[in-house]
Amino acid sequence: KNQVEQSPQSLIILEGKNCTLQCNYTVSPFSNLRWYKQDTGRGPVSLTIMTFSENTKSNGRYTATLDADTKQSSLHITASQLSDSASYICVVSDRGSTLGRLYFGRGTQLTVWP
Amino acid sequence: NAGVMQNPRHLVRRRGQEARLRCSPMKGHSHVYWYRQLPEEGLKFMVYLQKENIIDESGMPKERFSAEFPKEGPSILRIQQVVRGDSAAYFCASSGTGGNGYTFGSGTRLTVV
Repeated sequence: KNQVEQSPQSLIILEGKNCTLQCNYTVSPFSNLRWYKQDTGRGPVSLTIMTFSENTKSNGRYTATLDADTKQSSLHITASQLSDSASYICVVSDRGSTLGRLYFGRGTQLTVWP
Repeated sequence: NAGVMQNPRHLVRRRGQEARLRCSPMKGHSHVYWYRQLPEEGLKFMVYLQKENIIDESGMPKERFSAEFPKEGPSILRIQQVVRGDSAAYFCASSGTGGNGYTFGSGTRLTVV
C-alpha cells in the first residue's frame, strides 16, 4: 500500500532556531518527492521537488534531502521565523498512473514562538 | 496570472442539499485535480480531469459525487444530498502538460449542518 508517514506530528520551536522534519514513504514506483507549506486556511505551496537522482535541494532557508534507497526525506529549516508557522506536507508522486498520482502525508504542524 | 481560483471559499449546506464547488485552473493549464482534506488528515486524491474528459476518478466516492471540466468554464465538483461526513476542505490543483507547474488553489471549506 502506498503511504507517506511524517514525523513529528507537531513541533514547537523558538524563533531563530533550526529544525528538521522527517518523511518516510512506501510509494512505488517512485517519481518525485515534494515538500509543501500550507498556511492555515490556504492551499499548499510548493517548497521543493526532488527526483530519484537528486539527494538535496535548497530553497532559501529550506533544505530538503532525499535518500531513495531507504525511502526517507527530511526538510531542514534554518533560522526559523514566525512566518514559518504552518503545516509542512511531504508529497510523493508515483509513475503508475497516467500523470503520476500524488500521495500526501498528514503533515507536521510547526509553531514558531517569539 | 491569477493562479488557481476556487469559489466559494466557504460553503454551508443543510443535509440533503447539493454542493457545487468551482475551480478555474491557471491560465494555460488543461489538467485539473481535486483533493479532499478532512480535519487533522492529509489531502486525499479524488479525481483528475482534462478538458471534457475524466482521466482518473479512482479516489472519488461512487455515489453522490461527480466532477466535470467542460470545454468552456471552470471545473465543477458536485456533491448531491450532502451528509455531515462531507464536511471538509476541498482543494483543486492544476497543471500543464506533463504535470508542469502543479499549483493548488486556496480551497473551498464545505460545512454540512
